[in-house]
Amino acid sequence: ILNVEQSPQSLHVQEGDSTNFTCSFPSSNFYALHWYRWETAKSPEALFVMTLNGDEKKKGRISATLNTKEGYSYLYIKGSQPEDSATYLCAFCCPLVGKLVFGAGTILRVKS
Amino acid sequence: EPEVTQTPSHQVTQMGQEVILRCVPISNHLYFYWYRQILGQKVEFLVSFYNNEISEKSEIFDDQFSVERPDGSNFTLKIRSTKLEDSAMYFCARQWGSGANVLTFGAGSRLTVL
Repeated sequence: ILNVEQSPQSLHVQEGDSTNFTCSFPSSNFYALHWYRWETAKSPEALFVMTLNGDEKKKGRISATLNTKEGYSYLYIKGSQPEDSATYLCAFCCPLVGKLVFGAGTILRVKS
Repeated sequence: EPEVTQTPSHQVTQMGQEVILRCVPISNHLYFYWYRQILGQKVEFLVSFYNNEISEKSEIFDDQFSVERPDGSNFTLKIRSTKLEDSAMYFCARQWGSGANVLTFGAGSRLTVL
């Protein structure tokens, strides 16, 4: 059974702190890894799609790296703000066409 | 890109009843998906739909589930006879191409089966 793990399960930080989460996935038959940001009562929002080993992508204060050989991706948030509070999901793509396998997510709460 | 709109946002139903969840807009040139998240569990794939056909479905997507394009613009998920364990948040998503392209999700339809 293909398994995607995320850690930590939840994280509470102070405004201004930098933080990072981990997504672990199978290193074989890699195609792509997706990161999504999901705020309560809203749609999950795409952050990054990562395809190449060594990829590093950035969107404002958020960045992500990818290591396909060892099967992990890191998501970094620099200078966390209260509006960064959300669940961050990674998803391994795609054992079958169109099928994403999601991790359980990391819940981030940023206190002001 | 236009948003993905899902209706209803929340539905409460009795066990054994039929439920239809709707998603708009759709197009022949996109992949469409249904995912669900049972409370406290991971988001899981149900089915993918492309060009008026199911392209893949998971083991969860048994005979009680079906997907349709009833009028060319809506994309529906039907559960024929709901069970308690069908209680979940159901997400519709669309994608340009597949794989390396991100999914655009709706806000979800919460189904509560009593």
